[in-house]
Amino acid sequence: GNSVTQMEGPVTLSEEAFLTINCTYTATGYPSLFWYVQYPGEGLQLLLKATKADDKGSNKGFEATYRKETTSFHLEKGSVQVSDSAVYFCALSDPLFGNEKLTFGTGTRLTIIP
Amino acid sequence: DAGVTQSPTHLIKTRGQHVTLRCSPISGHKSVSWYQQVLGQGPQFIFQYYEKEERGRGNFPDRFSARQFPNYSSELNVNALLLGDSALYLCASSSHRGGRDGYTFGSGTRLTVV
Repeated sequence: GNSVTQMEGPVTLSEEAFLTINCTYTATGYPSLFWYVQYPGEGLQLLLKATKADDKGSNKGFEATYRKETTSFHLEKGSVQVSDSAVYFCALSDPLFGNEKLTFGTGTRLTIIP
Repeated sequence: DAGVTQSPTHLIKTRGQHVTLRCSPISGHKSVSWYQQVLGQGPQFIFQYYEKEERGRGNFPDRFSARQFPNYSSELNVNALLLGDSALYLCASSSHRGGRDGYTFGSGTRLTVV
């Protein structure tokens, strides 16, 4: 079955540091890939997405590139802020199954220190 | 425009009881999905409904059921509650059946079973 493996956390960085959160996936078909962010006490917010190989999703300074050859979708940001502190989830939806569901990784908790 | 709204926001139930959680999708969205997020883990898919029909079911026992109404709102029902059902229950909506473009999530219902 489909699965998503995320870099284990927690991750603690200083403000303005460079961020990378690794994500790799296993899928039967050609999935769409997503990064969701969850702030304390809240639901999930879609951060960015990519629907085919070599697509780059970007939003709020975050970027991730769909790499089919390495089955990866790593999240990056050049200069993090305290407000980026949250839990980040990598996810996929697989068109082989009609895209009905999202399969999530276990999440990476990010804390940014001023 | 209102986002995905869920009610109640918090709930405490006793083992063996029944619970009903409610979700209103974004106006115009016909697809509603339910996810269970246990503390420290990624969300797990429970159900998807599209146009009032069940389109997908995750690996959950028959104690879990759901339905979608003509106005596209949805209810998730859980019978014979167990301590392990304690979790954040998330509802997500989409304008179409598939999740290719991602889903919009509500803030969730925090269920505690004691």
